[in-house]
Amino acid sequence: GDSVTQTEGLVTLTEGLPVMLNCTYQSTYSPFLFWYVQHLNEAPKLLLKSFTDNKRPEHQGFHATLHKSSSSFHLQKSSAQLSDSALYYCAQNSGGSNYKLTFGKGTLLTVTP
Amino acid sequence: EAAVTQSPRNKVAVTGGKVTLSCNQTNNHNNMYWYRQDTGHGLRLIHYSYGAGSTEKGDIPDGYKASRPSQENFSLILELATPSQTSVYFCASGEAVANTEVFFGKGTRLTVV
Repeated sequence: GDSVTQTEGLVTLTEGLPVMLNCTYQSTYSPFLFWYVQHLNEAPKLLLKSFTDNKRPEHQGFHATLHKSSSSFHLQKSSAQLSDSALYYCAQNSGGSNYKLTFGKGTLLTVTP
Repeated sequence: EAAVTQSPRNKVAVTGGKVTLSCNQTNNHNNMYWYRQDTGHGLRLIHYSYGAGSTEKGDIPDGYKASRPSQENFSLILELATPSQTSVYFCASGEAVANTEVFFGKGTRLTVV
């Protein structure tokens, strides 16, 4: 069935170092991929989504590239900031006539001074 | 911005009791979702809906029912609450287009004792 696998658990980085959070997926159809971010005591909200025309989405310094050959949509940022500390979810909508949105287990990113 | 309101925000229930979590959206979105969030499991889909009168089973529907009496309202019902249903529950809404974002409510913290 459809699924999303992320870098699991906790990732701790020093401020200024690059960020890479892995996401791979399995899907029946050609899916749309998303990254959602959830700060402490807040609701998840959209950070990035994949495009159908191979453009690379970017937001707040984060970017992600959909690679259909490897079924991946890794999240990257060149330099981590303290404010990037949050829970990050990769998600897929498998398309077709089913709008079921499936999330991975989440990666807690902690950025330290 | 899209508005999704959940009530109550906190709830303590007794084992075997009935619990109803309510969700209202003013975005005129067709699709609505109920997720639960648990450490180590991420966001897991319980039920979702394509519009008034429709409910679909998500990935973990056992022990839960859903009701969508109108475009705006989507309820999650626990007929016989158990301690294993202690969790944070999120409602979300989105358009019936595969590559658009969903908008989350602020969550309901449910404790079953």
